[in-house]
Amino acid sequence: GENVEQHPSTLSVQEGDSAVIKCTYSDSASNYFPWYKQELGKRPQLIIDIRSNVGEKKDQRIAVTLNKTAKHFSLHITETQPEDSAVYFCAAPLSGSARQLTFGSGTQLTVLP
Amino acid sequence: GAGVSQSPSNKVTEKGKDVELRCDPISGHTALYWYRQSLGQGLEFLIYFQGNSAPDKSGLPSDRFSAERTGGSVSTLTIQRTQQEDSAVYLCASSFEQDTAYTFGSGTRLTVV
Repeated sequence: GENVEQHPSTLSVQEGDSAVIKCTYSDSASNYFPWYKQELGKRPQLIIDIRSNVGEKKDQRIAVTLNKTAKHFSLHITETQPEDSAVYFCAAPLSGSARQLTFGSGTQLTVLP
Repeated sequence: GAGVSQSPSNKVTEKGKDVELRCDPISGHTALYWYRQSLGQGLEFLIYFQGNSAPDKSGLPSDRFSAERTGGSVSTLTIQRTQQEDSAVYLCASSFEQDTAYTFGSGTRLTVV
């Protein structure tokens, strides 16, 4: 099955700086790559996703890039704010185009005021 | 309903007892997923239901775990003879048939003492 590696496990940035989290996957047939944000004690929430037919997607301060050749995708957060502090999870289909997702191990992002 | 509902929100049980966790997905969502999240860890896939198809049980960690989905809606995850290592937050998610974007419930925090 798919294996998703996520780095770094923790990330601290100053407010206003950018944050980048990277994930790699193993199954070249994977076609869907979402990112979830989980605040402390709350449910994971989808913040952005990308499909394999595009290389980049942007939504205000967040963007996701996909490199199918290298089999990695990254989350970019610009102009970080304290409310961006949370755990971020990447995910990819369990295999190929399956709907079941396998998740990365998470990145604890701390935005320092 | 407006979101994915899970009950109970918290459950403390004695080792060896059976527990039932309930998930009520968003109306119209045909896909339903169960995940487990241990403290400070990522999300571990347990089981996936899609419409009337046979569920994908490949993530269930042992035969003490089972799940059913009645009428294509509400799902129940049952853990028999609970062990301390079963302590975790059990998250349910649902999605439309043609969509992989998950909506998670708030989870059930299970503590086995």
